[in-house]
Amino acid sequence: DVKVTQSSRYLVKRTGEKVFLECVQDMDHENMFWYRQDPGLGLRLIYFSYDVKMKEKGDIPEGYSVSREKKERFSLILESASTNQTSMYLCASSPGHGGMNEQYFGPGTRLTVT
Amino acid sequence: AQRVTQPEKLLSVFKGAPVELKCNYSYSGSPELFWYVQYSRQRLQLLLRHISRESIKGFTADLNKGETSFHLKKPFAQEEDSAMYYCALGHGFNKFYFGSGTKLNVKP
Repeated sequence: DVKVTQSSRYLVKRTGEKVFLECVQDMDHENMFWYRQDPGLGLRLIYFSYDVKMKEKGDIPEGYSVSREKKERFSLILESASTNQTSMYLCASSPGHGGMNEQYFGPGTRLTVT
Repeated sequence: AQRVTQPEKLLSVFKGAPVELKCNYSYSGSPELFWYVQYSRQRLQLLLRHISRESIKGFTADLNKGETSFHLKKPFAQEEDSAMYYCALGHGFNKFYFGSGTKLNVKP
């Protein structure tokens, strides 16, 4: 059973703070993803990683960075949090082989920036 | 642009009624379409994918390349089907474009 965990369910930060969101998967998946989920906008891809130390920008990378030092862990970093980054953040992982694969999602982190 | 459109934000039906959640896509290649579901307080999970051509929890979805659609259907809705449904288009290196989602409310 695939398990994707995220470090926090709820997080409240102040404008300008540096924020770290952590994601860990236990299925040895090559691919990991960070999305933000907003009502009326669905899920939008922030960053994607297909291997350790490899990353690609998604559709909305501005204001975010990522780190993948180990295969099982993918971190999303908000260098200077702003109120428009208040959102639900979802992490996902998928195998890197065998065509287009199902993505397995974490429970989400609801971030509020005040 | 390659995108996914779900025209309905909210769909309310009575228990036992048929339900159809609409999804249209725009894609220049050979599309791979998926439906994901998120029940209240649960994580987003795969419901079905067009390649498998399965019926999951009574739901089916047929890829219509002529109409560029992948509508999700169920003949008799149940209250436990109430959830948020997202259509997703696979592209590139295992990436998805997600639609904006449709909230299905099945009334007793």
